[in-house]
Amino acid sequence: EVQLVESGGGLVQPGGSLKLSCAVSGFTFSGSAMHWVRQASGKGLEWVGRIGSTADTYATAYGASVKGRFTISRDDSKNTAYLQMNSLKTEDTAVYYCTRHRCAGAVCPFDYWGQGTLVTVSS
Amino acid sequence: SYVLTQPPSVSVAPGKTARITCGGNYIGSKTVHWYQQKPGQAPVLVLYYDTDRPSGIPERFSGSNSGNTATLTISWVEAGDEADYYCQVWDSRSDHPWVFGTGTKVTVL
Repeated sequence: EVQLVESGGGLVQPGGSLKLSCAVSGFTFSGSAMHWVRQASGKGLEWVGRIGSTADTYATAYGASVKGRFTISRDDSKNTAYLQMNSLKTEDTAVYYCTRHRCAGAVCPFDYWGQGTLVTVSS
Repeated sequence: SYVLTQPPSVSVAPGKTARITCGGNYIGSKTVHWYQQKPGQAPVLVLYYDTDRPSGIPERFSGSNSGNTATLTISWVEAGDEADYYCQVWDSRSDHPWVFGTGTKVTVL
């Protein structure tokens, strides 16, 4: 059974930092690109960023709204992806999902999703 | 930035057909995926590469993509189909290359 389990969410003050984790089981993590997608309450889905697999030397990419503040990493030995969030703003408040990119190509869909973890940025 | 526009809501009676559109500039030249999201749950892939269904998704879900509009069609709608639906594409020139549509709330009357 495929499982993606996010953790690390919580309440943080503006300007603060938080690190989310996404622990994976049920598929070959090292061969999969992983993405983070967020959703503010009552709003739509917003792509945050991605990290490639060993096949593309773990290349990263980020959405304009988080570039320079967020960093995605992974530890294949622990089957875990991470989202380090710095300089957090109130508009970063959202549920953060990790999701697997189904195949190597950029046009591939997101086939497995975690249950999400809530990040609240507030003073 | 590439924009995908969906109608905010679609209402349909049980047993009827729901059509959810996703508008984007020359979207017919792109590959479209569709996700279903029920309240409090993570999105679920229901259609990929415009027309393909993942294992476990009923044949009632189908898709098309041409010109400036992609469409998700749900035939013989059931109460369990009530959810938000999002289209998604990849656009290399966008500042958010993996782009989601604005989302459509499907209400089963």
